[in-house]
This record gives sequence, structure tokens and C-alpha cells, in this order.
Amino acid sequence: GAGVSQSPSNKVTEKGKDVELRCDPISGHTALYWYRQSLGQGLEFLIYFQGNSAPDKSGLPSDRFSAERTGGSVSTLTIQRTQQEDSAVYLCASSLGQGARETQYFGPGTRLLVL
Amino acid sequence: AQSVTQLDSQVPVFEEAPVELRCNYSSSVSVYLFWYVQYPNQGLQLLLKYLSGSTLVKGINGFEAEFNKSQTSFHLRKPSVHISDTAEYFCAVRRAGYGGSQGNLIFGKGTKLSVKP
Repeated sequence: GAGVSQSPSNKVTEKGKDVELRCDPISGHTALYWYRQSLGQGLEFLIYFQGNSAPDKSGLPSDRFSAERTGGSVSTLTIQRTQQEDSAVYLCASSLGQGARETQYFGPGTRLLVL
Repeated sequence: AQSVTQLDSQVPVFEEAPVELRCNYSSSVSVYLFWYVQYPNQGLQLLLKYLSGSTLVKGINGFEAEFNKSQTSFHLRKPSVHISDTAEYFCAVRRAGYGGSQGNLIFGKGTKLSVKP
């Protein structure tokens, strides 16, 4: 596709359940970022991938959060034992991976609501 | 560490009026500066960015921003707004010279621009 896609667009789950959020970056982009957008915290960085490796996991808020990337393309963000405070919009972005000057392109996000 | 402050959470303005959305940043190292726009239920779209060179940067949809190093500001301006400019605008910084792990964006809390007829 032409842009970054994310699925599902909306997810409603019950507290304690696990959820998986998917990101398809722009073809050829080696860098992939996950951010979280919540009412109280604004936009926060979660994790960064270069290829399939995640050299920076510093933004993950707890050990309930994990992410992986396979084939240098699709990434999955998994939240285990969801809590109400996990409710937010999860945004994925990708870039060519050639340096800080480049633009990060964002997907439309996944809106997660934990009941 | 870097931080970004957007001084106004909401800015109401009438159509065809000028607008300025304010952004100040704090950093001990050189940074690149970005403005993104988010329309309802959509992802973020890059409006413009400052990397180096001329401090006046022009972006899409008639927006421009001026980098002021002494005041650590990067205010966004448009001389005449349209109803379609109604959206949330985010200022962001990124540590200069690094990609990858130090290349994540640090965002302000956003400014909601509401253009009224």
C-alpha cells in the first residue's frame, strides 16, 4: 500500500484480556516506531525497530507490553492482561531508517478501549 | 533530554483570520523540529520540518514556521485559515544527527485549532 496501515482500527476488550495490534509499514522502510496517544499523557514513544531488532524498548510502560517485527516488515504490539489505563490510540510510524533528518510517516492508529 | 511545550491547548479563530500556534522546546543538544497535523480519527501528517539552514520553513496547506534559536521557539503560522484547517496540531523535536534509537519524536501535548465561519 501507499501508506502505513494499522489493524484493527478499533478494539474494545475486557480488563485482563490480551490484545494484539498490527502495523504494516511503508514498503522499504526499515525503521518502525510505536507511539501511544492518551488523554492524560499526550503522544508517547513506546518502542523502535530497525529491521527486526528493537534496540530501544525504553518507552514500554510495563512488562505487560511487548512487540515484535518479522521479515523487516509487519510489527505486532501485544498488551497482556490489559488494564483500563491502557485505553489509548496506538500509532505506528515508519521511515527509511537512514537518519534523524528523515520524516516519520504515521498510520491512522488503533483505538483501544479497555472496559 | 528534550521537551516540548505548546502554550495553548485550544485556539478558536474565525475563517480567513491569521493564526499562530506557539511551540517552545528545551534541549541541551541540537534538535530537529517538526509540526504535524491530526485530523479527526486520522493519523499524523507532517506539515513542515526544520533541519538546518533558513529559519523560515514553508510547509503544506499554506503553513509556515520560524525557528528562533535564542528563544527556543518554533511557532506555526498561517495568514488566512480555512474551515478545513480545523484539526489538532503537534509540535515535535528529535535529537539532531541521530537516527534510530535516539531518533524517536518527542511531542508537545497538542493545540486544537477550531476555525469558525
